[in-house]
Amino acid sequence: GIQVEQSPPDLILQEGANSTLRCNFSDSVNNLQWFHQNPWGQLINLFYIPSGTKQNGRLSATTVATERYSLLYISSSQTTDSGVYFCAVSTSSNTGKLIFGQGTTLQVKP
Amino acid sequence: DTGVSQDPRHKITKRGQNVTFRCDPISEHNRLYWYRQTLGQGPEFLTYFQNEAQLEKSRLLSDRFSAERPKGSFSTLEIQRTEQGDSAMYLCASSFIPGQPNTEAFFGQGTRLTVV
Repeated sequence: GIQVEQSPPDLILQEGANSTLRCNFSDSVNNLQWFHQNPWGQLINLFYIPSGTKQNGRLSATTVATERYSLLYISSSQTTDSGVYFCAVSTSSNTGKLIFGQGTTLQVKP
Repeated sequence: DTGVSQDPRHKITKRGQNVTFRCDPISEHNRLYWYRQTLGQGPEFLTYFQNEAQLEKSRLLSDRFSAERPKGSFSTLEIQRTEQGDSAMYLCASSFIPGQPNTEAFFGQGTRLTVV
């Protein structure tokens, strides 16, 4: 099955710093989503981005499907950005089943 | 629509007891998924419904697990004879409006199960 690898596994930043999270996947995908898991465990949708570039406020994401990777950029980080970021992909448009990476744990210090 | 809703949010049970969780998806969505997440890991797929039909089950879903979506709306996940290894966060997601290409999935708040 498809492999999804996220890097780095852990990241510590000072408030105001920028960061880039990476997601590599081993096969063609028809869906790619980025999530932020809040302290209570809920997965919050950040981007639905099977290809191309999207921006939402301080966050942006780019997926290069032909090279099998996606990047999540966080600019001017805030303490509320802390948490676990997951990349998830789907290889089947028939089911939409998502395969998750192991996540990147981000800690933003004041 | 208020999004995907799960109930209960937390469940503590004794080993050997049965538990049942409920998921109410986004009403327009015809796909519903259950995932399980253990500490420090990403969520793992358990099972998938399209309308009322259960179309795929993971090998993680042992015989003690059963899921239903009787009318193609809400779904239940039952675990019989719970074991300590069943302790995890159980997440429900829904996606897909027929006729639209977007397959973005949305997740509920999860049910955190602790087996003691």
